[in-house]
Order: sequence, then C-alpha cells, then structure tokens
Amino acid sequence: KNQVEQSPQSLIILEGKNCTLQCNYTVSPFSNLRWYKQDTGRGPVSLTIMTFSENTKSNGRYTATLDADTKQSSLHITASQLSDSASYICVVIHSGNTGKLIFGQGTTLQVKP
Amino acid sequence: NAGVMQNPRHLVRRRGQEARLRCSPMKGHSHVYWYRQLPEEGLKFMVYLQKENIIDESGMPKERFSAEFPKEGPSILRIQQVVRGDSAAYFCASSPQLADNEQFFGPGTRLTVL
Repeated sequence: KNQVEQSPQSLIILEGKNCTLQCNYTVSPFSNLRWYKQDTGRGPVSLTIMTFSENTKSNGRYTATLDADTKQSSLHITASQLSDSASYICVVIHSGNTGKLIFGQGTTLQVKP
Repeated sequence: NAGVMQNPRHLVRRRGQEARLRCSPMKGHSHVYWYRQLPEEGLKFMVYLQKENIIDESGMPKERFSAEFPKEGPSILRIQQVVRGDSAAYFCASSPQLADNEQFFGPGTRLTVL
C-alpha cells in the first residue's frame, strides 16, 4: 500500500533554534517528493520539489534531503522564526498516477518566542 | 495573476441539504484537483479533472458526491444530502499542463454540517 508517514506528529521549539522533520514513504514507483507548508486556515504552499535523483534542495532557511534507497526524506529548518509555526506536509507523487498526490499526516510545528 | 480561488470560504449546511463548492483555477491552468481534509487528518485526493473531463475520480465517495469542470466557468464539487461526516475543509488545486507539474492550492472551503 502506498503510504507516507511523518514524524514527529508535533513539535515545539524556541525561536532561533533549528529543527528537522522526518518523512518515510512506501510509494513505488516514485516520481517526486514535495514538502508543503500549511498555515492554519489556508491551503498548502510548496516549499521544495525533489526527483529521485536529487539528494538535497534548499529554499532559504528550508533544506530538504532525500534518500531514495531508504525511502526517507527530511526537512531541516534553520534559525526558526515565529512565522514558521505551521503544519509541514510531505507529499509523494506516484509515477503511475496522473497527478494524484499521496499526503503524509503532517508535522505541526510551533515556534515560541 | 490571481491564484487559485475558492468560494465560499465557509459554508454551513443542515443535514440533508446540498453543498456546492466552487474552484477557479489559476489563469492558464487546465487541470483541477479536489482534496478533502477531515479534522485532525491529512489531505486525501478526491478527483482530478480537465476541462469537461473527469480523469480520475478514485477518491470520490460512490454516492452523493460529484464534480465537474465545464468548458466555461469554475469547477464545482457538489455534495448532495450532506451528513455530519462531510464536515471538512475541501481544497482545490490546479496545474498548467502535465499532471506532474506542481499543483497550486486554493485557500479551501470549510464545510460545516449541523
């Protein structure tokens, strides 16, 4: 069964600290993996998109890594800000599907001052 | 270039009524996707449409739910005879061409069934 599992479920950190969110997937064959940020009451916004041949991709303070062999990805947030408080969702695209995204449950991050 | 637009943003219905959710994709996008997010759960795919065609509806409940994307106008997700379990956030996303392109999400419609 194609699944995406994220950990931790929720996380609280202090402003300025770093954190790493994890994503394991069983989707196969695999097209690409995406990390989205979803603010409360809003739609998801894409942070990074990686194909199976890419190991790392950065977008400002966000750095995503991908290990296609172990089927694991991580999202590292550096120097966290209060505005980083949101749900972070790992999404995997099955290469056999025409655009159907398989979503993880998300990690809820709360950054405190 | 406006983003994906959804309306209404909030919709309250009583059990047994009909709910109509609208989605206007980004300009130039011909692919529309609908997702449902139940409370405390992740987003789940419902249906994928191109203009006048349903491409994949494998995530749609078999009864009461239907979707369309007419040649002119927004995509519509229609829920007939709503039940309390339909209460959720419904998100629409659009992409320009091939389905593998990045999907851009709208702000969602929050449906509450009393």
